[in-house]
Amino acid sequence: EIVLTQSPGTLSLSPGERATLSCRASSSVTTSYFAWYQQKVGQAPRLLIYGASSRATGIPDRFRGRGSGTDFTLTISRLEPEDSAVYFCQQYGSSPTFGQGTKVEIK
Amino acid sequence: QVQLVQSGAEVKKPGASVKVSCKTSGYNFNDYGISWVRQAPGQGLEWMGWISVYYGNTKYAERFQDRLTVTIDTSTSTAYMELGSLRADDTAIYFCARTGRGQPSFYWGQGTPVTVSS
Repeated sequence: EIVLTQSPGTLSLSPGERATLSCRASSSVTTSYFAWYQQKVGQAPRLLIYGASSRATGIPDRFRGRGSGTDFTLTISRLEPEDSAVYFCQQYGSSPTFGQGTKVEIK
Repeated sequence: QVQLVQSGAEVKKPGASVKVSCKTSGYNFNDYGISWVRQAPGQGLEWMGWISVYYGNTKYAERFQDRLTVTIDTSTSTAYMELGSLRADDTAIYFCARTGRGQPSFYWGQGTPVTVSS
């Protein structure tokens, strides 16, 4: 099983700032099979990024995914209050797994 | 539009089984699989298993192999997740999600809370 470790656990930033979220895999992940999700309180997860860098429909270009192999990054530029959520990474190869999440708080 | 609507909250005793439904609409049910993911209170997401609607084959996370059953009813475009031998730590919200083979989950159900308590 591929273990995904996200850092930091929590990010507390002000509106307009940039958030950088990291996800490290215990073994190499096929780039095509890597995603990021956003989950707000009381809601189902929402797909943001798939294939490591492709934005899902309707996702603003403030959200950018990068990475390959074992290191992946989600960058949220120009943070807005609505970006307050927990963000999960996922590898969706033959046995999918999720990271434990990074909570983004907007001051 | 694509919709996945799950059945309501459940309360079960330890050792019992729970069966959660996921009724889909707005797309060709046969074209995609269905994943099941759960989230314990205050915790992260845990992938449980997946079924190919077209082929009917399943894949389960190893830790659920012996007590998880995922099925489909193509006549009603509905997927089912049954988890047996319930324990207190199975208390969680269970989500279904439309998931193609080798794809992420673009659409999700609203979640079904399952509480296991004596």
